Amino acid sequence: QAGLTQPPSVSKGLRQTATLTCTGNSNNVGNQGAAWLQQYQGHPPKLLSYRNNNRPSGISERLSASRSGNTASLTITGLQPEDEADYYCSAWDSSLSVWVFGGGTKLTVL
Amino acid sequence: QVQLVESGGGVVQPGRSLRLSCAASGFTLSSCNMHWVRQAPGKGLEWVALIFYDGSDEYYADSVEGRFTTSRDSSKNTLYLQMNSLRAEDTAVYYCAREYGDGSAFDIWGQGTMVTVSS
Repeated sequence: QAGLTQPPSVSKGLRQTATLTCTGNSNNVGNQGAAWLQQYQGHPPKLLSYRNNNRPSGISERLSASRSGNTASLTITGLQPEDEADYYCSAWDSSLSVWVFGGGTKLTVL
Repeated sequence: QVQLVESGGGVVQPGRSLRLSCAASGFTLSSCNMHWVRQAPGKGLEWVALIFYDGSDEYYADSVEGRFTTSRDSSKNTLYLQMNSLRAEDTAVYYCAREYGDGSAFDIWGQGTMVTVSS
């Protein structure tokens, strides 16, 4: 079951803006959009956004998500040291009837 | 407080079985679709299984189809993952996760339980 495609790593400077991408197809990202998760080493994932740009309560307004076609994006503005983590996208694949994840992007804040 | 707590992980030999539990609190399992997601050491997240809120259907990843079964006990508000014919490649942290109401994401995650398959 093919997963979603994310760049393995992204590096940006403090207070800069990082945009993470997640590419799927018309049966997953292009259909219902993607959700974004943040994970620190040794901890469970945490939901950051769903249905492309809805944030659970308590999630920073510096995070915003969007989708264009089969690619979803997560933009983090004003990068802080605590933003350094692994980020995963996920989506339901309506053709395969499975959930798929991206391979994850390690965000480094320089 | 909405919470999921997994248990049952450990070291098991290849070919043997193990059952994981996921105790829910602060909400009713029978009102939500529930999932199992795993993460091999140093690797990304891999979806494993889904059970519908009413127990009417289940879906599995190809990698575990026919070997793993998920179920739940509403009286105990607990989710289970029965893992049979375990392989070395099943070694991972196993998380249970609640599906958000609109079906678009996993909004609540447990802390995970480690399963190591090794002789």
